Amino acid sequence: GESVGLHLPTLSVQEGDNSIINCAYSNSASDYFIWYKQESGKGPQFIIDIRSNMDKRQGQRVTVLLNKTVKHLSLQIAATQPGDSAVYFCAENRNSGYSTLTFGKGTMLLVSP
Amino acid sequence: DSGVTQTPKHLITATGQRVTLRCSPRSGDLSVYWYQQSLDQGLQFLIQYYNGEERAKGNILERFSAQQFPDLHSELNLSSLELGDSALYFCASSVGRGTGELFFGEGSRLTVL
Repeated sequence: GESVGLHLPTLSVQEGDNSIINCAYSNSASDYFIWYKQESGKGPQFIIDIRSNMDKRQGQRVTVLLNKTVKHLSLQIAATQPGDSAVYFCAENRNSGYSTLTFGKGTMLLVSP
Repeated sequence: DSGVTQTPKHLITATGQRVTLRCSPRSGDLSVYWYQQSLDQGLQFLIQYYNGEERAKGNILERFSAQQFPDLHSELNLSSLELGDSALYFCASSVGRGTGELFFGEGSRLTVL
């Protein structure tokens, strides 16, 4: 498959472990945040979102935490599986009223069986 | 499958040439977005259209232009191509013009030789 980045931070975990991917955002006025997953050769795929009036949101096997004080987002993946191997991007909406998402650089997650 | 269709999937051309990338949004989505993904710049927002009108502009070069047609499909025109324009170009769509999930196509890989 195609590589989406040669110099991305990489997190390597064993299957079954919990993974935590971190993201620092830049604009304190951002009010909406999304995590996307991008598998090799594919477009980004929505995982979970959170609005700025929340500090935690849970999905299926995933949890997003938002710390507005330090402008930090994290994505927690429980019981990581080989199929979770991908590049993960956080994105923030900096232009309230429009879906003009600004993406972070991404983190590559490698899951070993 | 996100429901967003992009053509062509791959395109190889020479410097100085012009190409057109095409995007069909998900059924019912009124907004179309174009993003450029390169190895060193990550996902960069180019431009957004909502129901045929330009809504937001990002880091789009003057050599690039886009439009959204009455049937809501969109085209991204890249002219006077340079080697540095080689990248993955993604189209995304969303229902409205406000904050919300973007659905991405699988991208068009442009290689400029």
